[in-house]
Amino acid sequence: GAVVSQHPSWVICKSGTSVKIECRSLDFQATTMFWYRQFPKQSLMLMATSNEGSKATYEQGVEKDKFLINHASLTLSTLTVTSAHPEDSSFYICSARAGVQYFGPGTRLTVT
Amino acid sequence: QQQVKQSPQSLIVQKGGISIINCAYENTAFDYFPWYQQFPGKGPALLIAIRPDVSEKKEGRFTISFNKSAKQFSLHIMDSQPGDSATYFCAASQGWGAQKLVFGQGTRLTINP
Repeated sequence: GAVVSQHPSWVICKSGTSVKIECRSLDFQATTMFWYRQFPKQSLMLMATSNEGSKATYEQGVEKDKFLINHASLTLSTLTVTSAHPEDSSFYICSARAGVQYFGPGTRLTVT
Repeated sequence: QQQVKQSPQSLIVQKGGISIINCAYENTAFDYFPWYQQFPGKGPALLIAIRPDVSEKKEGRFTISFNKSAKQFSLHIMDSQPGDSATYFCAASQGWGAQKLVFGQGTRLTINP
C-alpha cells in the first residue's frame, strides 16, 4: 500500500524559533498533499492544501505567514512553523493523495 | 453546512459484541464518506469508504451503512476485539478521496476483554 512518512516524529523547540516538518510519499507521487492539525483528544482540522509547483491554499483562520508550506517535488512537502509559540504545540499530520488520502504518522510539536 | 457530526464521543463494548458509530452531514454535495482508525500517537488509517450510490459496504468485520435521504452513515464493527480499541473518525468530501476531508469529532472505542 501507499506509504507516507513524516520527519521528525517529535520535536521540542523554544518559543520564537522555527521548526520544519517534512512529509514524504515513499512509493508514489503526489501532486497534492494536505496538512492537518490535531489537538489532544480532538479531531483533525485541515490547515492547508499543498499542490506541487504552486502556492498552498490555506483554510480560513490559518496564518499563511506563520505556517509556511512548500511542495517542491512530487514526493515532498514541508511545513515550517515560524516564530513558534506554546499555543502552536500540537500534533501535525500530513496526507498525500493517491486516489484516496494516505496519512503520515504525525509529528508531535512541543514549544517551550 | 460543512460539519460532520459524529456520535457517540466514547463507546465501550464487550469483546465479541457489535460496535456502532454514527455520523450525520448537511452538505448534499458530499459524495465520499470514509472511516479512519487512529491509535494514540499515530496518523489515521483508512478503514473503509463508501459512495452515496450504495447503501452498504462490507469489508471483513467492518460495514458502512449509508442512508442518503437521512444524510446519515454509520460504521459497524462485528465481533469487536480488544485490538479494535482506538479512536474512529468519520469524514466526508466532494470527490472520491481526492478533495479535502471534513472530519467528525471522533469516537473513542474501548473493547473490554
